[in-house]
Amino acid sequence: NAGVMQNPRHLVRRRGQEARLRCSPMKGHSHVYWYRQLPEEGLKFMVYLQKENIIDESGMPKERFSAEFPKEGPSILRIQQVVRGDSAAYFCASSPGQVTDQPQHFGDGTRLSIL
Amino acid sequence: GESVGLHLPTLSVQEGDNSIINCAYSNSASDYFIWYKQESGKGPQFIIDIRSNMDKRQGQRVTVLLNKTVKHLSLQIAATQPGDSAVYFCAERGKLIFGQGTTLQVKP
Repeated sequence: NAGVMQNPRHLVRRRGQEARLRCSPMKGHSHVYWYRQLPEEGLKFMVYLQKENIIDESGMPKERFSAEFPKEGPSILRIQQVVRGDSAAYFCASSPGQVTDQPQHFGDGTRLSIL
Repeated sequence: GESVGLHLPTLSVQEGDNSIINCAYSNSASDYFIWYKQESGKGPQFIIDIRSNMDKRQGQRVTVLLNKTVKHLSLQIAATQPGDSAVYFCAERGKLIFGQGTTLQVKP
């Protein structure tokens, strides 16, 4: 039973390029969450999605960042015109339903490096 | 705003000893808490959770205690092993507000 799958594990981009991070939730999970982790810090919530819907994007930067979770396929976190400050580990988590009293399960993250 | 935070950034224990990692939260309405363990290069791994209608919950070698009066929870690890070395986070439900982790170092 595969867990949350993220790819790529490592992504290198030059300033100004676009970064696309993918997340396939656990089987049976229809809710996806994205978090960002800077070195030596805790995870910071970015966005919460269900299939074809953004439920809460209060943690997303207002510009350059977007997320989607289409009916078919993985969830995508997209960062346009990347800057050095976007360098971080980006984690995806999934849960079977609306977060109530069920833990989220995390992938192993995508480490984004901006040159 | 809401926050959770761990008391110590680093905890060093001898192999075989018990470890206690503490966490404070600010939102008195919080009713569900989770402890995660994060090893280097990996994502957070669920350890144990507790609902606010409980004071204590036990797992395999781990116990979580919740004190709602002082808004404090702790994670106790019995007979700490080298494999327990990691960063530990407490989080409260919803959008999972993570505090700064506590790095547990286990000395052989």
